[in-house]
Amino acid sequence: NAGVTQTPKFQVLKTGQSMTLQCAQDMNHNSMYWYRQDPGMGLRLIYYSASEGTTDKGEVPNGYNVSRLNKREFSLRLESAAPSQTSVYFCASSGWTGGTYEAFFGQGTRLTVV
Amino acid sequence: RKEVEQDPGPFNVPEGATVAFNCTYSNSASQSFFWYRQDCRKEPKLLMSVYSSGNEDGRFTAQLNRASQYISLLIRDSKLSDSATYLCVVNMGILTGGGNKLTFGTGTQLKVEL
Repeated sequence: NAGVTQTPKFQVLKTGQSMTLQCAQDMNHNSMYWYRQDPGMGLRLIYYSASEGTTDKGEVPNGYNVSRLNKREFSLRLESAAPSQTSVYFCASSGWTGGTYEAFFGQGTRLTVV
Repeated sequence: RKEVEQDPGPFNVPEGATVAFNCTYSNSASQSFFWYRQDCRKEPKLLMSVYSSGNEDGRFTAQLNRASQYISLLIRDSKLSDSATYLCVVNMGILTGGGNKLTFGTGTQLKVEL
């Protein structure tokens, strides 16, 4: 069972470079999310997609763009990376599983911007 | 005030001990509550949902106090394998367009020692 697959696992960028983080889920969930996790800050919502074809800003959207390519895939793009975007990024999808509402996470992307 | 607050710990306990974590939340309209577990450098995973009547899953017991706006997690007979960070998660409601706004605490670190 793949669940949520996220790539890459690690990335080092130079300031100003761009990159796209890929995410795919195979649980037929409508809702997908991108979070970043920083020490002492918890997980903060960057962008989310409630359903295919829709995306909305979360708490910390500045410097990011997203695309909900289809129901399975939700990508996060950094157009011009900055050191402040050094973080661990998690993609998630959510839905009801066996009577419990649950969010499932990808394995994370450790991004360093130098 | 943070929307979800937890004591970051670490809680260092001997194997076999009972340990309890609390979490407070600010939004009285919050709808549902969860505890997630996060191992070092891994993605968060659902440990258990928290119901108004309290619920138990093996050595783990979760309680919700809506009047005081806090939830708790009790771990009995701690095992070395319980060492992890425990995230308090509150469903703050429906996001614009759908999906659920899951707000994460910063986590409480537990270290179980021999």
